[in-house]
Amino acid sequence: GAGVSQSPSNKVTEKGKDVELRCDPISGHTALYWYRQSLGQGLEFLIYFQGNSAPDKSGLPSDRFSAERTGGSVSTLTIQRTQQEDSAVYLCASSLATGPGGNEQFFGPGTRLTVL
Amino acid sequence: AQKITQTQPGMFVQEKEAVTLDCTYDTSDPSYGLFWYKQPSSGEMIFLIYQGSYDQQNATEGRYSLNFQKARKSANLVISASQLGDSAMYFCAMRGEDSGGYQKVTFGTGTKLQVIP
Repeated sequence: GAGVSQSPSNKVTEKGKDVELRCDPISGHTALYWYRQSLGQGLEFLIYFQGNSAPDKSGLPSDRFSAERTGGSVSTLTIQRTQQEDSAVYLCASSLATGPGGNEQFFGPGTRLTVL
Repeated sequence: AQKITQTQPGMFVQEKEAVTLDCTYDTSDPSYGLFWYKQPSSGEMIFLIYQGSYDQQNATEGRYSLNFQKARKSANLVISASQLGDSAMYFCAMRGEDSGGYQKVTFGTGTKLQVIP
């Protein structure tokens, strides 16, 4: 596709269930980022991938959160034993490369997660 | 540690007027990039403009310009000739490396701009 896609667009789950969020970056983009945006708040940086590698996982909120990327393309963010405070919009972005250079991030439409 | 501060939670501007959205930052990394994004009520994040820490000139993109004052660690966004479609949340962001050499991206809390007809 032409842009970053994310699925599902909306996910409602019960507390304690596991959820898996998917991100398809722009083809050829080596860098992939996950963010969380709570209602009316800014973006919270969770993790980034350079290729299939995520060198720093310290941004993940807890050990219930994990992410992986395969084939340098699709990434999944998994939240185990969801809690109500996990409710937020999860945004994925991709860029041509990492580093402080002008490689702008292209954002997907996000997945709105609601934990009941 | 990286930090982005946007002190204006909300701003109003008259249509066709110019408006400045403030952003200050803090980092110990000499090499970093500064970005501005627009988020309309639809929720999508739209890239507006980029400024590199070593760029000598202020970045401009159409009606958007970035007033980069490195010594003051400020990267204010100027929107000229405001349009009704400019009403949105605006986020300032910084990408750099932390002390461990890992890339970090930090967003500010945003400024909600409302353009008045």
